[in-house]
Amino acid sequence: DTEVTQTPKHLVMGMTNKKSLKCEQHMGHRAMYWYKQKAKKPPELMFVYSYEKLSINESVPSRFSPECPNSSLLNLHLHALQPEDSALYLCASSRDGGNYGYTFGSGTRLTVV
Amino acid sequence: GQQVMQIPQYQHVQEGEDFTTYCNSSTTLSNIQWYKQRPGGHPVFLIQLVKSGEVKKQKRLTFQFGEAKKNSSLHITATQTTDVGTYFCAGREQTGANNLFFGTGTRLTVIP
Repeated sequence: DTEVTQTPKHLVMGMTNKKSLKCEQHMGHRAMYWYKQKAKKPPELMFVYSYEKLSINESVPSRFSPECPNSSLLNLHLHALQPEDSALYLCASSRDGGNYGYTFGSGTRLTVV
Repeated sequence: GQQVMQIPQYQHVQEGEDFTTYCNSSTTLSNIQWYKQRPGGHPVFLIQLVKSGEVKKQKRLTFQFGEAKKNSSLHITATQTTDVGTYFCAGREQTGANNLFFGTGTRLTVIP
């Protein structure tokens, strides 16, 4: 299995809702990432997990809460989002150590209304 | 913080023409990667360059890492319609660091 699977593919949520994005990989990768991508912009790094521990938080607002239950799963919990948080949320994984390419999932397209 | 700029922002070429995108970092990079994102798709890893002055080829694609490890280029020979997409370089400052930052991207359109 050489894929990163993200669910759901599309999500519409209100500003008072709580929702979660899910990401799964079975490649034995020990580093997992969340990126946010606005239209016609590059992906922006949000969080990095290394061996199931949060190693990097790029000053992301607390309304985004990541979780890594095990080495194959990565979640992003969303609460009280703003319309400007609407974007494509990409999960990626890689072998740890910083010298490997990332495998990206197809993303969750989030719309906050 | 780290800034990685790419030029041009957009490029339209006739099928069969060559294409080059340039990537420039404000800081020295430990390595650089290149990704391709098709319209409506997700980034797909193409290659990684690590050594100063390194040149790698993949069929019609040639990747180069500058001597100072602050710039890189991707050259496509004889473009095809399947080359359409946005090409991103992505770099990290520290060896082994897991924080990969993407360049601004170059969107390539190929006119048949």
